[in-house]
Amino acid sequence: GESVGLHLPTLSVQEGDNSIINCAYSNSASDYFIWYKQESGKGPQFIIDIRSNMDKRQGQRVTVLLNKTVKHLSLQIAATQPGDSAVYFCAERRDDKIIFGKGTRLHILP
Amino acid sequence: DSGVTQTPKHLITATGQRVTLRCSPRSGDLSVYWYQQSLDQGLQFLIQYYNGEERAKGNILERFSAQQFPDLHSELNLSSLELGDSALYFCASSVGGGLSDTQYFGPGTRLTVL
Repeated sequence: GESVGLHLPTLSVQEGDNSIINCAYSNSASDYFIWYKQESGKGPQFIIDIRSNMDKRQGQRVTVLLNKTVKHLSLQIAATQPGDSAVYFCAERRDDKIIFGKGTRLHILP
Repeated sequence: DSGVTQTPKHLITATGQRVTLRCSPRSGDLSVYWYQQSLDQGLQFLIQYYNGEERAKGNILERFSAQQFPDLHSELNLSSLELGDSALYFCASSVGGGLSDTQYFGPGTRLTVL
C-alpha cells in the first residue's frame, strides 16, 4: 500500500472496541470541521462534519466531539471493524480554505 | 467509487519537464479542487474552481496552473518540475462552491519526478 505520511501517530485498537482519534486545531476562528478517512491507495473520503456552534454530532457508528475551549476535536468510532483500518484526517475551515491535519493511522488488531 | 475520475493514475517524468493532470468531477458538481499530498507536507490545498472560474487559491506554486473547462473537467499543469514535486495529486469535486459542501475525492495521480 501507499504511505500517506511518515511518522504518523498510530492508534492500535482491538476489533470490536471503540476507537477515539484526536485532533488539535490552532485557530479559534475556524468555524467548520471535517473528518476524512483515507484507505491505502485511495483518496480521502468524507466521514462526518461539525460546525462550531455544535459540540457533538453523530453519524452511523461515528461521533464527532468539538471542544472549542481547548481547540480539540475527536472522532469516535463504535465497534471498530477491520474495514476501519485507514489514515484519519481532521480538517478545519480557516480563511476560506480547508486546512488538513497530518493524520492518524488506525490499526485494527484481530 | 466517488464518481470523480483522474488520469493518469501514475506519471513518471524528469526534472524540468511539464505534465498535465486531468480530473472529471462527479456529474452535477460545479466545483473542482486540487490537492497535493506529500510525505512531509501532508495534504495541501492548491486551488479551487467553480463553474469555470477560479474561486480560491491555496499553496499553489507559480510553476503550477489550473483551469476548468466548459464541460467542467479540470486540468492541473505542472511545469519546470523539480524532485520535490513528486507527490500524490488529488482532485475533489462538490456541488456548490462553499467550503461546507461535501468534497468527493478522486483516486489521485501519483507523480514521480526523477
